[in-house]
Amino acid sequence: AQSVTQPDIHITVSEGASLELRCNYSYGATPYLFWYVQSPGQGLQLLLKYFSGDTLVQGIKGFEAEFKRSQSSFNLRKPSVHWSDAAEYFCAVVGGSQGNLIFGKGTKLSVKP
Amino acid sequence: NAGVTQTPKFQVLKTGQSMTLQCAQDMNHEYMSWYRQDPGMGLRLIHYSVGAGITDQGEVPNGYNVSRSTTEDFPLRLLSAAPSQTSVYFCASTPGRGQMNTGELFFGEGSRLTVL
Repeated sequence: AQSVTQPDIHITVSEGASLELRCNYSYGATPYLFWYVQSPGQGLQLLLKYFSGDTLVQGIKGFEAEFKRSQSSFNLRKPSVHWSDAAEYFCAVVGGSQGNLIFGKGTKLSVKP
Repeated sequence: NAGVTQTPKFQVLKTGQSMTLQCAQDMNHEYMSWYRQDPGMGLRLIHYSVGAGITDQGEVPNGYNVSRSTTEDFPLRLLSAAPSQTSVYFCASTPGRGQMNTGELFFGEGSRLTVL
């Protein structure tokens, strides 16, 4: 069965520092992969997605992610973190016969001033 | 634009009570779904619907019922609430019949339910 693992529960970075959030997936074929962000008290918002083609995908708010099939990974990156990036981030993969989204358990990002 | 609207935002129930969480979308999306979010568990799919009159179970369907009589509405019913159903519930929708169409789920702001 398809699954998503986010190894880091909580990460703290300083404002202006670079960020990488890890995501590993389990899927037999080429996966459809996503990153969502959830600000406190809000629903989830799509940051970016990968279906096929260029393995480096650009998203909103200056985020990017790289699909690496050999490592079964889809890590999220940002070169310079802003205080407003503090949120919880979810990696997800389309799975199952009906193509539902399967979410990882999330990584909470804190940003130090 | 309203998008996906969930009501109520907060609810406290006693064990054994029943209630319905409402979800409405005004984007003419075929696919609608309900997730629950618990600390350290991420989001887990409860039920989903690929169109009016069609519903199916997700990962954690026990204790919940759904129906889809119109394209716009997808209510989630708790027939006999249990403390294990204390959670934050999210309704989400997307065009087409699944995430493979556009890749984006549009989420409501959530409904926080506490069962005592």
